[in-house]
Amino acid sequence: GEDVEQSLFLSVREGDSSVINCTYTDSSSTYLYWYKQEPGAGLQLLTYIFSNMDMKQDQRLTVLLNKKDKHLSLRIADTQTGDSAIYFCAEKGTGNTPLVFGKGTRLSVIA
Amino acid sequence: DADVTQTPRNRITKTGKRIMLECSQTKGHDRMYWYRQDPGLGLRLIYYSFDVKDINKGEISDGYSVSRQAQAKFSLSLESAIPNQTALYFCATDPGTGLGEQFFGPGTRLTVL
Repeated sequence: GEDVEQSLFLSVREGDSSVINCTYTDSSSTYLYWYKQEPGAGLQLLTYIFSNMDMKQDQRLTVLLNKKDKHLSLRIADTQTGDSAIYFCAEKGTGNTPLVFGKGTRLSVIA
Repeated sequence: DADVTQTPRNRITKTGKRIMLECSQTKGHDRMYWYRQDPGLGLRLIYYSFDVKDINKGEISDGYSVSRQAQAKFSLSLESAIPNQTALYFCATDPGTGLGEQFFGPGTRLTVL
């Protein structure tokens, strides 16, 4: 089956930029997503990008998609302690296939 | 009020017991999902349903069953709980618009002793 890979941990200092990376195997992905899970809560959609786009910016968040390399990244500018959470990459193939999630990257922000 | 609710939020049970986790939604979505989350393993799909009469197995359905009683309700059952089913369980919904965005409940923490 299709797979989504991401590193498990990332630690950054408050005020720095964070970059979380993800690779996927499904060449027919239609949408790719970043979900955020705060402690004790369910996942919430942070942002998404359509597969025919290279970049999407939303305030402090920048998503970059390299479709040729099947690589997705999430950049958080001016990282704050409130950004500490687990970030999940996910992809959707064609048709009615369910989303495939990565294992999640735990972002720790050091004050 | 939360759009996707799960009950109970926490449960401790013993090996061999039958247990049901319930999920309700007020979003009017047709598609519902059950996942389990384990440290280092991420989110794994157990079962999903695209409509009241539709049930599909996910990646790890063994040891679980589901019931879609109505559009708004999707229950997950463990017929005979075992310790390696100790995990955080999430229900999610999806409007089926093609975007694929899922809306998650707050989770149920299940411990099987």
